[in-house]
Amino acid sequence: GENVEQHPSTLSVQEGDSAVIKCTYSDSASNYFPWYKQELGKRPQLIIDIRSNVGEKKDQRIAVTLNKTAKHFSLHITETQPEDSAVYFCAASPSGGSNYKLTFGKGTLLTVNP
Amino acid sequence: DADVTQTPRNRITKTGKRIMLECSQTKGHDRMYWYRQDPGLGLRLIYYSFDVKDINKGEISDGYSVSRQAQAKFSLSLESAIPNQTALYFCATSDTRASPYGYTFGSGTRLTVV
Repeated sequence: GENVEQHPSTLSVQEGDSAVIKCTYSDSASNYFPWYKQELGKRPQLIIDIRSNVGEKKDQRIAVTLNKTAKHFSLHITETQPEDSAVYFCAASPSGGSNYKLTFGKGTLLTVNP
Repeated sequence: DADVTQTPRNRITKTGKRIMLECSQTKGHDRMYWYRQDPGLGLRLIYYSFDVKDINKGEISDGYSVSRQAQAKFSLSLESAIPNQTALYFCATSDTRASPYGYTFGSGTRLTVV
């Protein structure tokens, strides 16, 4: 089955700095890669995703990049703000059919210091 | 608003007791999942269901069972609860017809087995 590794497990940055979280996956059949943000005491929420036919996707201050050859993808947050503090999870899956189920990384606790 | 609802929100139970966690959704999604979240271990898949007649084991199904009573309802049972099943449990849904294929998570059930 799929295995997703996520690094770092904790990340502390100053407000305004950039943050990068990296994930690798093992199953070459995976072609859908979402990122979730979980604030303290809340449910995980989808913040951005990317499919294997795209190398990069941006949404305001967040971006995701994908290198299918190397089997890794990354989340980039620019101009970090205290409200970005949360646990971030990456995930991977084949995108459809009976194989669609997300395998998650272990999470990254991001702390943005004012 | 259409949502994914889990009951109970919190539960304390004794070792050896049978307990059921319930999930219902008004999103009209066909696929439903149960995950457990443990600190440092991320989200791990217990069971998933692609329709009422389809039930599949995830990576950590031992000690758990599920029932898909209707398209909108998916219950998780712990046959004989043990302390290492203490965790935060999330139900999630997805829609085969939709793009992206991100999950919508329920608000979670915090289960403590004493």
